[in-house]
Amino acid sequence: DGGITQSPKYLFRKEGQNVTLSCEQNLNHDAMYWYRQDPGQGLRLIYYSQIVNDFQKGDIAEGYSVSREKKESFPLTVTSAQKNPTAFYLCASKGQGSVTEAFFGQGTRLTVV
Amino acid sequence: SQELEQSPQSLIVQEGKNLTINCTSSKTLYGLYWYKQKYGEGLIFLMMLQKGGEEKSHEKITAKLDEKKQQSSLHITASQPSHAGIYLCGADTSNTGKLIFGQGTTLQVKP
Repeated sequence: DGGITQSPKYLFRKEGQNVTLSCEQNLNHDAMYWYRQDPGQGLRLIYYSQIVNDFQKGDIAEGYSVSREKKESFPLTVTSAQKNPTAFYLCASKGQGSVTEAFFGQGTRLTVV
Repeated sequence: SQELEQSPQSLIVQEGKNLTINCTSSKTLYGLYWYKQKYGEGLIFLMMLQKGGEEKSHEKITAKLDEKKQQSSLHITASQPSHAGIYLCGADTSNTGKLIFGQGTTLQVKP
């Protein structure tokens, strides 16, 4: 079945360590997105990519990095420079055009201790 | 300030009552999306609107996009406990593929 998969669902890391969150889609979508969600808040855009080997900063990119080497994959690295990394992270993918549906993964809850 | 403002931020209604959630921007909305979320889970797609004046319905949920394409509303008729959750509006406000979201509206429906 086509879909978008995030792994793992829960992730624990020690402060100061980098951690990479996985996002894979088999929908043949060109665009992929990473969002962060904090309790009681909506989604804030971290990075997005509309084509392989290209990506743009979103509204809260500091302390994060991404790569888009393959169309299917858009991993997010939370670096030690991110001051408050504990959050729920959501990945999405979307086809071409401004009004195609965006599909979301089930999210990764990252806890940094 | 948010590019997409949702109101209200939270809502508690009695089962059977109607309710409306609004999503407003100072910019043109190139594609407006409504999603529902149970906190800690992924987003469930509800509806997508593109044209000014467009209206779509699914079961008891109706979404509208105004003529100027700067405001959308989500209306739920005869609410049920299954409607409880977080409702999020999303849009591309720059026509560049940058998809952003509002801060969400948390809905509780009391039996």
